[in-house]
Amino acid sequence: KAGVTQTPRYLIKTRGQQVTLSCSPISGHRSVSWYQQTPGQGLQFLFEYFSETQRNKGNFPGRFSGRQFSNSRSEMNVSTLELGDSALYLCASSWQVNEKLFFGSGTQLSVL
Amino acid sequence: EDQVTQSPEALRLQEGESSSLNCSYTVSGLRGLFWYRQDPGKGPEFLFTLYSAGEEKEKERLKATLTKKESFLHITAPKPEDSATYLCAVQAGETGANNLFFGTGTRLTVIP
Repeated sequence: KAGVTQTPRYLIKTRGQQVTLSCSPISGHRSVSWYQQTPGQGLQFLFEYFSETQRNKGNFPGRFSGRQFSNSRSEMNVSTLELGDSALYLCASSWQVNEKLFFGSGTQLSVL
Repeated sequence: EDQVTQSPEALRLQEGESSSLNCSYTVSGLRGLFWYRQDPGKGPEFLFTLYSAGEEKEKERLKATLTKKESFLHITAPKPEDSATYLCAVQAGETGANNLFFGTGTRLTVIP
């Protein structure tokens, strides 16, 4: 069974640009969550989607947004990029809520 | 405010030298405590979930325990392949919210 797939693996952008990251969950999983990982802050929750609906959102500015499609694939978007947005963005999926999360390898975003 | 603190930040062990990693937490309404392992360049990999004080779980050389204020990850006779960052996370608050609150991890190095 294929794991969680995130694309692209690496991304370099400049300040002010926007970026879209993609996540394909494990087949059959309907819940998708996104996390930001930085050396100083560790993993921080961004948002969670279940059956195309955002169920929960972390404490991030409105520049961070996401969506989930009918096939459970998810995208997250960051607009007006800032230097501090440089991080590893991790997607995780689970069959239902309140279950263990399976993480992808992440997208490493560098903002110059 | 929910808080998860892991100690030590880094740990170097000789192969075969057993030790314990600590995760102390302050949350409202703990629903589950999770341990993950993360290798460089990869996403976290699920190890254990603990739900109530007194619960213990084992997997190969790892054993996780939970009290009302902290969790321990005991590593017995570690091998070099156990080298990784070990992350503790809690799931708390209202049911239906799948987000995890992570500690910053313990970076374990096992020397042959």
